[in-house]
This record gives sequence, structure tokens and C-alpha cells, in this order.
Amino acid sequence: AQKVTQAQTEISVVEKEDVTLDCVYETRDTTYYLFWYKQPPSGELVFLIRRNSFDEQNEISGRYSWNFQKSTSSFNFTITASQVVDSAVYFCALSEVTSGTYKYIFGTGTRLKVLA
Amino acid sequence: GAVVSQHPSWVICKSGTSVKIECRSLDFQATTMFWYRQFPKQSLMLMATSNEGSKATYEQGVEKDKFLINHASLTLSTLTVTSAHPEDSSFYICSARIGASPYNEQFFGPGTRLTVL
Repeated sequence: AQKVTQAQTEISVVEKEDVTLDCVYETRDTTYYLFWYKQPPSGELVFLIRRNSFDEQNEISGRYSWNFQKSTSSFNFTITASQVVDSAVYFCALSEVTSGTYKYIFGTGTRLKVLA
Repeated sequence: GAVVSQHPSWVICKSGTSVKIECRSLDFQATTMFWYRQFPKQSLMLMATSNEGSKATYEQGVEKDKFLINHASLTLSTLTVTSAHPEDSSFYICSARIGASPYNEQFFGPGTRLTVL
């Protein structure tokens, strides 16, 4: 069955430290999509990145980078030189093609606290 | 990016009353909208998928007569919590997706916090 696991419930780091948020997924589909969203204290989810199952290229966007490894079913997210504004809950999500509605399966989220 | 609004942002009601929450895509047409429920410090739980002009598809365990969803236009979906009870208190979030491709990300509204007394 499809599943997204974010084993880290909460992480605390000091500002300027690098931090990696783990995401492991399970799916039987060969075609699927992975997403990361940020939920700051205000509550509104903010889209960060999407990746399809055929594209294993890593991506960097400013201080954010993502490492997609199909062999280990992982899609990890690294924040370099963390800042207090990065404090939020981060969700990883999986969208399968065969589900028809292409609904998201969310992980349980990782709460990141960046301390000044 | 695309903007999704929700109204109201918070509501407090008495047990037994019904509450309607609106979800609007402001600058795009949304064929599909989704309704989620989130309990404190927990993940988002998909309640139903709403397609314009057709009946919503509810997830297992979600009472369709309790949570009425209407997607009357390409920019508006509504969720009505009927005969609300304290256990319905939660953070309700809608999202909208442009087109049917799973590659298209969902854009989320800011959420509606419902408190039932």
C-alpha cells in the first residue's frame, strides 16, 4: 500500500546549521510524483518542489536542496545555513497516477525549530 | 503563483448548528478541489475530492451526509458541516489543482479553524 514516512517528528537546530529532513515512500506505481510543502505557524501550506518518478536529478534552489533516490525510495530535503524563518512543519507527499484522482498521500510532517 | 482563499478563517458555533466553509480559486479555474482536515500537530487527512459539476468522492470513514461538499463552479467549492458537534472541531483546509495532471501541484487555502462549543 502507498505510504509516506517522515520519521523525524521534531528537529531543533541552531541558526546557520544545515539540516536534512527525511522522507521515505512506498508505492507500487512506476509513475508517481513527490512533493514537499512547508506549513508555517500561520497554517497555509506553501509549495516547495515537485519531482516525478522518472527524474532522479537532484535539485538546488537557493538554500534548499532535494535528493531523490529511487533505489532507497527516499526524497530528502536539506536546508543549508538554516534561518529562524525556516521554522515550520514540513510535509512530504506522494501522488500516484493509478489512483485516478491523483490525490496526495501526506507524511506525518517534521516540525523544524531553528533557534537564534 | 495561484491563490486559493477560504472563508471564514475561523468560526465558533454551538453544537447542533451547521457551518459552511467556502474555498475559492482566485486567479485560475480548478477542475478539482480537495478538502482536508488537520488535528493539532498532526498531518493532513484527505476528506474528499471534489470535481466541478459532479458528486464529491469521499474517503473511507468520512460521512458524506455529515460533510456536504458542493463544487458548483470552476472557482468555488463549499464544505458544510451539518449538525456540528465538539468532535468536529478542527482545522479544515482546501486545495485546488489546475487540470488533471498529477504533476500539477495543489495550491492550498489558508485554512478554517472550526470550534464547536
